[in-house]
Amino acid sequence: IQMTQSPSSLSASVGDRVTITCRASQYISTYLNWYQKKPGKAPNLLIYAASSLQGGVPFRFSGSGSGTDFTLTISSLQPEDFATYYCQQSYRTPWTFGQGTKVEIK
Amino acid sequence: EVQVVESGGGLVKPGGSLRLSCVSSGFIFSSYTMGWVRQAPGKGLEWVSSITSNSRYIDSADSVKGRFTISRDNAKNSLYLQMNSLRAEDTAIYYCAREERISVGLNQYTVFDVWGQGTVVTVSS
Repeated sequence: IQMTQSPSSLSASVGDRVTITCRASQYISTYLNWYQKKPGKAPNLLIYAASSLQGGVPFRFSGSGSGTDFTLTISSLQPEDFATYYCQQSYRTPWTFGQGTKVEIK
Repeated sequence: EVQVVESGGGLVKPGGSLRLSCVSSGFIFSSYTMGWVRQAPGKGLEWVSSITSNSRYIDSADSVKGRFTISRDNAKNSLYLQMNSLRAEDTAIYYCAREERISVGLNQYTVFDVWGQGTVVTVSS
């Protein structure tokens, strides 16, 4: 199952609302996870089951979607949110990730 | 503290071998499926291989099948990745990750919820 994210990168300011989209090449129901990755750090699980917030993750992060189209939204971008975000399908193996969306400071 | 720590990375020539290790602590290792995920320089995340808690089921990406072997030793809380016939395109940071199954309603969802800091593998002559 191929996962395609858009955009590949974006520039935004602190306080902005940011939306990242992820499309699966076939139906995956809500078997969609989102991770945040910072340089030199391990990936961090943000969202699972398309819209469930992982414990300890700030409420400004939210996820939506089902079937083949999904979104990750950051309601008010904070300085610590500048990172690369990856979607990942857990519908069936091989588990596959999107190519990533880099969120940069404007 | 729940954590996993990888080791064993390094510089190896094409065609060579390397064995990665991952030691866990803070959770019951023998209860979890574990996996390896890699990130090549400037690239995204790529799942490599996973092994169930009792080693009964193993799955791997096509890109490494026949060359990489995942294994575990529950008595030592350890996960391994034996990498043979290494190629330049295997150059990456290799992460050890715990697979957790989370129930939401009637469904179970698999996530990678605990990750190590990674170990660097460089394949170059």
